[in-house]
Amino acid sequence: QQQVKQSPQSLIVQKGGISIINCAYENTAFDYFPWYQQFPGKGPALLIAIRPDVSEKKEGRFTISFNKSAKQFSLHIMDSQPGDSATYFCAAFYNQGGKLIFGQGTELSVKP
Amino acid sequence: DAGVTQSPTHLIKTRGQQVTLRCSPISGHKSVSWYQQVLGQGPQFIFQYYEKEERGRGNFPDRFSARQFPNYSSELNVNALLLGDSALYLCASSLQGNSPLHFGNGTRLTVT
Repeated sequence: QQQVKQSPQSLIVQKGGISIINCAYENTAFDYFPWYQQFPGKGPALLIAIRPDVSEKKEGRFTISFNKSAKQFSLHIMDSQPGDSATYFCAAFYNQGGKLIFGQGTELSVKP
Repeated sequence: DAGVTQSPTHLIKTRGQQVTLRCSPISGHKSVSWYQQVLGQGPQFIFQYYEKEERGRGNFPDRFSARQFPNYSSELNVNALLLGDSALYLCASSLQGNSPLHFGNGTRLTVT
């Protein structure tokens, strides 16, 4: 199965709070797992990516936690800001065929 | 450095027509991929090209075709347009076939 399931569909967080988005996959043949941020009218922008041999990766306010045995990974946005309001997509890269499988997206709204 | 550039940004076509979308990758990137994003959904993989050869194809009909040129730029062609082809078409580039993808801002195609 080449699916990536993402939750929640939408998320409202207060300024300064922590935003958490979760994803789950089934295929163990994925090479790496990126997260993208997309603003209306723009293409997805790469935020952070992790390979399956690493359990956590942090870049600034963004952290990926990866649980290989549970086939789950999550994005944590610390100190969320109104400027973080966007749609976030998790994805998994399948090297055979060179394709990214995207989750359904999470619309994040950070309230001032 | 310039990111991935796509042209045109917007396009309106009539059912049955043909369309060509263009993409210039980030300098030094040898792989180009195409994705279709319908409103409210995650991008869906169409093609990947690496070193001018097709490396992967998604679940799209033969009306969709693409090619990559010696300078690594790429074109996506769609023949016999249907109303359902209305979407944001995204191009992404990467250094190699399995490196993180960087997306352009897309071409918004409307079929009437």
